[in-house]
Amino acid sequence: SQKIEQNSEALNIQEGKTATLTCNYTNYSPAYLQWYRQDPGRGPVFLLLIRENEKEKRKERLKVTFDTTLKQSLFHITASQPADSATYLCALSYNFNKFYFGSGTKLNVKP
Amino acid sequence: DAGVTQSPTHLIKTRGQHVTLRCSPISGHKSVSWYQQVLGQGPQFIFQYYEKEERGRGNFPDRFSARQFPNYSSELNVNALLLGDSALYLCASIRGGSYEQYFGPGTRLTVT
Repeated sequence: SQKIEQNSEALNIQEGKTATLTCNYTNYSPAYLQWYRQDPGRGPVFLLLIRENEKEKRKERLKVTFDTTLKQSLFHITASQPADSATYLCALSYNFNKFYFGSGTKLNVKP
Repeated sequence: DAGVTQSPTHLIKTRGQHVTLRCSPISGHKSVSWYQQVLGQGPQFIFQYYEKEERGRGNFPDRFSARQFPNYSSELNVNALLLGDSALYLCASIRGGSYEQYFGPGTRLTVT
C-alpha cells in the first residue's frame, strides 16, 4: 500500500525566512499531489495541486515541486510569517477517487 | 457561498451504539468524500461519492457505510462503535474540474 512520509518533527524557523517541507512517497507516482494547511481543531484547507507532468507550481508566497524520480514533493513558503504557523499535509491521488494523506509537519514561525 | 457544513459538531456515544454523521457540500459540488482523522495523524480516506454513487472506498470495515442524496448531501453511518472509532470525522466536497477538496469543520466523535 502507498506510504507517505512527512517529517514528524516540527519545523521551527524565523519570520522572513523560507520554510521548506518535504513529502516522500513509496510505490508508483501519483497522478496528482496536493498540499493542505490545517489549524488545530479545524478541517484542512486546500493550498496547491501539482500534476505528475508538472515540475513546479507557484501561488503567491507558496511553491511546490514534484520530482517523480526521487518520489518527493517539496513545499516552500517564502517570507514566512507567524500567521503561517500550522500543520501542513500532503495528499496523493491516482484517480481522484481515493486520496492518501501524510501525517503532516507542524510549522512554527517565530517573530 | 456557504462552505461545507457538518453536523453534529460533537458527539459522545457508547461502545456498540450506532452513529450517523451528516454533511452538506458547497452549492454546485457534486462529489463528497469522508475522512477519519485520529489525533496526531493525517486524514484517512473512508469513502467518496459522486452523483449518489460510491466512487472510492478506503480500508475500513463494513461497519462503516455512507450514502449521498439527490441534493448531494451525504451521511456517514458507523455501526457497533468501538473505542478506536473516536476521531474527528471530516467531510470534503470537490469542485468539479478542479480536483480541489474543500473540507468542513468536522464532527468530533468520542466513544466511551
